[in-house]
Amino acid sequence: SAVISQKPSRDICQRGTSLTIQCQVDSQVTMMFWYRQQPGQSLTLIATANQGSEATYESGFVIDKFPISRPNLTFSTLTVSNMSPEDSSIYLCSVPSGGDIQYFGAGTRLSVL
Amino acid sequence: QKEVEQDPGPLSVPEGAIVSLNCTYSNSAFQYFMWYRQYSRKGPELLMYTYSSGNKEDGRFTAQVDKSSKYISLFIRDSQPSDSATYLCAMSVGIQGAQKLVFGQGTRLTINP
Repeated sequence: SAVISQKPSRDICQRGTSLTIQCQVDSQVTMMFWYRQQPGQSLTLIATANQGSEATYESGFVIDKFPISRPNLTFSTLTVSNMSPEDSSIYLCSVPSGGDIQYFGAGTRLSVL
Repeated sequence: QKEVEQDPGPLSVPEGAIVSLNCTYSNSAFQYFMWYRQYSRKGPELLMYTYSSGNKEDGRFTAQVDKSSKYISLFIRDSQPSDSATYLCAMSVGIQGAQKLVFGQGTRLTINP
């Protein structure tokens, strides 16, 4: 399975600011996925990031709020923009390996005050 | 109705007990069926995955899929305190190489020594 590193592991941010989360993989992958896990809830897919093209967002998530970059086959960033307390969540990136089985990073725990 | 339903628990059992965790789903297009384990403040860790109906065993863990009933289960034998975690079922859908995961709510499991 791939080794996935996320930075930062946690952050506390002020309302109205933005935070960029980084995801680094130890192997080249075409697709990377970004999920959100709200407190006490399960994981919800935010978007799929394909290297060389625009990210594909799920219903309820928009590019202006969650811009994604995918500059190469081992790296992606997710920005949470103009944050509010409702954005307090764990943000996780995942990559497929061995077909369509996905492996996850440790996540970024975000608290917005 | 959610695509994937999972009893959130919490579930508390004594050490050594057999644990049964279950999910039901409504989308016949789901292809892979996975179980993830998530310890507190960690990312989801893939435990098992299956593609077809039937049983798959790995040590103390058995994953069972019944596509006709749209029902999957995870059995844990000889449960240990280290098995205490949240267990998430997940199912994949989409084109090969770009499948997204739909998660259940997660079941919080505690194994009491």
